[in-house]
Amino acid sequence: AQSVSQHNHHVILSEAASLELGCNYSYGGTVNLFWYVQYPGQHLQLLLKYFSGDPLVKGIKGFEAEFIKSKFSFNLRKPSVQWSDTAEYFCAVRSGYSTLTFGKGTMLLVSP
Amino acid sequence: DTAVSQTPKYLVTQMGNDKSIKCEQNLGHDTMYWYKQDSKKFLKIMFSYNNKELIINETVPNRFSPKSPDKAHLNLHINSLELGDSAVYFCASSPLAGGNTGELFFGEGSRLTVL
Repeated sequence: AQSVSQHNHHVILSEAASLELGCNYSYGGTVNLFWYVQYPGQHLQLLLKYFSGDPLVKGIKGFEAEFIKSKFSFNLRKPSVQWSDTAEYFCAVRSGYSTLTFGKGTMLLVSP
Repeated sequence: DTAVSQTPKYLVTQMGNDKSIKCEQNLGHDTMYWYKQDSKKFLKIMFSYNNKELIINETVPNRFSPKSPDKAHLNLHINSLELGDSAVYFCASSPLAGGNTGELFFGEGSRLTVL
């Protein structure tokens, strides 16, 4: 069975700091990987996704993530965060035709 | 137009009551889901329907009964509500079972509070 682990439950950064949120998954076969964001009081929205090809994927709002197959990782990065990036971030994995399995989320708080 | 819409957005009720949450998607997707997000923000799938047929039923008490009258609608009925049912329930849809991309489109959530 697939599973997802997010390393940090809470991250606090100042504006303009760089961000990296860790995500590891456990499944040996082909996977699709996703990062979703949930702004306060809102629904989940897709930030970016990886299916195949270039392991470095770029998403909306300046976010990017790198798929490292040997490490079973899909870490999310942003060079310079803004106050408006304050949100909950969820990593998710899908293998084959299974449904998405989500990690437990990382709460990012950006202080102005 | 809202792609995946849920009603009600907020629901406060007493223990033991029965309540329903409705979900509709206008994306033409074949598959719909219910996820439960607990107080720690953990998202867990409850049910998945593909073209009105149940395809996933995770370990959920049988007090929870999904109903899909057509592929654009997936409602969730909960009997004999308990305190532990308090959560945000998210409806989602995708083009196919799991989809050829796996991407889910979420509704805005229904916050259920059981007193």
